[in-house]
Amino acid sequence: GENVEQHPSTLSVQEGDSAVIKCTYSDSASNYFPWYKQELGKRPQLIIDIRSNVGEKKDQRIAVTLNKTAKHFSLHITETQPEDSAVYFCAASTLAGKSTFGDGTTLTVKP
Amino acid sequence: EAGVAQSPRYKIIEKRQSVAFWCNPISGHATLYWYQQILGQGPKLLIQFQNNGVVDDSQLPKDRFSAERLKGVDSTLKIQPAKLEDSAVYLCASSLAGGGAGGREQFFGPGTRLTVL
Repeated sequence: GENVEQHPSTLSVQEGDSAVIKCTYSDSASNYFPWYKQELGKRPQLIIDIRSNVGEKKDQRIAVTLNKTAKHFSLHITETQPEDSAVYFCAASTLAGKSTFGDGTTLTVKP
Repeated sequence: EAGVAQSPRYKIIEKRQSVAFWCNPISGHATLYWYQQILGQGPKLLIQFQNNGVVDDSQLPKDRFSAERLKGVDSTLKIQPAKLEDSAVYLCASSLAGGGAGGREQFFGPGTRLTVL
C-alpha cells in the first residue's frame, strides 16, 4: 500500500520567515496531493492541492511543488504569521480517491 | 452549505463495551470516509464508501469494527468490543466522486473523541 513520510515533525520559525514541509510517497499511481491544516481541537481543512500533471501551484503566501520522478512534494509558506501556527498534513491520493496521510508537522510561528 | 455532521462529539466507555458513531455527509457527496486519528498522528483511513458500496476497507479491523452506509447517504461506524488502543478521534469526511480522475478535496466533520477506559 501507499506510504507517506512527512518531515519535519515540528518546525518553529520567526514571524515573517518562510516555512517548508516535505513529504515523500511510495505509490507511483498516486495522482492527487492535498495539504490540510488542522488547528488545535478543530477539523482538518484543505489549504492547497496539486495534481500529478502540474509541477507547482501557488495561492498567495502558500505554494506546493511536486517532483513525480523523485516522488516528493513540498509545502512552502512565505511571510509566516502567528495564525499560520497549526498542524499541517500532507496526503497522497490514488485514482480511486483513497488518501494516505503523513503524520503531520506542528508549525509554530513566533511573534 | 451545511458541513459534515457527526455525533456524538465525545464518548467515554469501558473496554469490551460497544460504541457507535454517526456521520451525515455534505449533500451530493458520493464518497464518504471514516478515519481514525490517534493523538500525534495523521488520519488513518478505516473505510471508504462510494455511494453505498465499499471502495476500500483494507485497514478496518474487521473482527471488531464495522461500518455501513445504507441508502448511500449517512453512515455509522461501530466498535464491538472496544479495546484501550481504540482511544482516538474518529473523523468522517466526504467528497464529490472522483469520477476516475483521482482524489478530490475532502470535507471533514468535527470528529468524535473516544476514550476507552
